[in-house]
Amino acid sequence: DAKTTQPPSMDCAEGRAANLPCNHSTISGNEYVYWYRQIHSQGPQYIIHGLKNNETNEMASLIITEDRKSSTLILPHATLRDTAVYYCIVRVAVGGNKLVFGAGTILRVKS
Amino acid sequence: DAGVIQSPRHEVTEMGQEVTLRCKPISGHNSLFWYRQTMMRGLELLIYFNNNVPIDDSGMPEDRFSAKMPNASFSTLKIQPSEPRDSAVYFCASTKTSGGGNEQFFGPGTRLTVL
Repeated sequence: DAKTTQPPSMDCAEGRAANLPCNHSTISGNEYVYWYRQIHSQGPQYIIHGLKNNETNEMASLIITEDRKSSTLILPHATLRDTAVYYCIVRVAVGGNKLVFGAGTILRVKS
Repeated sequence: DAGVIQSPRHEVTEMGQEVTLRCKPISGHNSLFWYRQTMMRGLELLIYFNNNVPIDDSGMPEDRFSAKMPNASFSTLKIQPSEPRDSAVYFCASTKTSGGGNEQFFGPGTRLTVL
């Protein structure tokens, strides 16, 4: 699985958009970008994933660059409850494949 | 759906004792994963099963660790004998591998403390 690089921490004001970057310059053509987050003392939670097109769901939007070497997770209106560690993971979406977690980005949403 | 269920939520034991962690995956999911999280090593995969068969156990630290999945609705992770360095939060996750995005659903974890 391709390696990802994320900033160790970011701050965001409550109500503003949080934009979390991820670099995955060695991504292969059949690898997807997945985002998970882990709120303190809880298990990781799936947020969104994509291959090459931008994706949006009720939680967030995922913007993937045309060359697929980087992506950005956007939380459109961050709340205090969005304070968590956010993990960007790249892997093939083949059944049962494992997730390899890096250190992630600690997002602190402040009032 | 109740989600992934893990028990116990907290376990405190003494070095040398046997520890058994339990997991019930989401009904209909056919892949199950055991992860361990520590401050030093972060989240790491220990083992995963597809259709009750162990596929990759390369993350299992040593022979003291063993995992079983006797049926589609139950899995155990056993540590025998336990050591203080096994203290961690152990997460179980499950997914449905046919169709969909294969997103994994995690349980609340078991916090293990070995004294």
